[in-house]
Amino acid sequence: DQQVKQNSPSLSVQEGRISILNCDYTNSMFDYFLWYKKYPAEGPTFLISISSIKDKNEDGRFTVFLNKSAKHLSLHIVPSQPGDSAVYFCAASARTSYDKVIFGPGTSLSVIP
Amino acid sequence: GAVVSQHPSRVICKSGTSVKIECRSLDFQATTMFWYRQFPKKSLMLMATSNEGSKATYEQGVEKDKFLINHASLTLSTLTVTSAHPEDSSFYICSAPRTSGRQETQYFGPGTRLLVL
Repeated sequence: DQQVKQNSPSLSVQEGRISILNCDYTNSMFDYFLWYKKYPAEGPTFLISISSIKDKNEDGRFTVFLNKSAKHLSLHIVPSQPGDSAVYFCAASARTSYDKVIFGPGTSLSVIP
Repeated sequence: GAVVSQHPSRVICKSGTSVKIECRSLDFQATTMFWYRQFPKKSLMLMATSNEGSKATYEQGVEKDKFLINHASLTLSTLTVTSAHPEDSSFYICSAPRTSGRQETQYFGPGTRLLVL
């Protein structure tokens, strides 16, 4: 049973446009959410996180939105750049924080120049 | 710069041999570290939680005798794949949580590519 879902395995966006990556979760105990970016043969790189007490967190070109009632979060990248092409993992953890970080399956983003 | 390192970055071994992978936190102490395995085209799967000074906690389905974890110090955890077989070939990643102010962030190592022939 997948607790963190990323239903789009891949996404292509034109350079300069907005990239929107979606994530859904099923466990209502999750209270901390993270996005990671991963290049092939490398470890994931932390991008941005959001606590369940917030509904938005922004860091430069990256913004994460959280809709707790819908158990849905999204990562917006604007403007998208070719260097953003990577696999993006949504992850979630429960109140005890980092006992387990559950990852979604990832979405492969391609930013086309 | 990197805050978590892994060694080696890639290793090729013969079937039946054991391979040790090191995970080090740089400039910070980690009483807990995590080991993940990534399968092709699949997400990261948490294998176990490495606890300094106590036994590791393994996820369901992960063989404890197969994947030996030792958290030798506050900056070092090791994963030993014993009697490796071709199906153990994978990308292994460790992570360690680091607290900065009120924020705790999980930092990942660069990963180790294991190929068992």
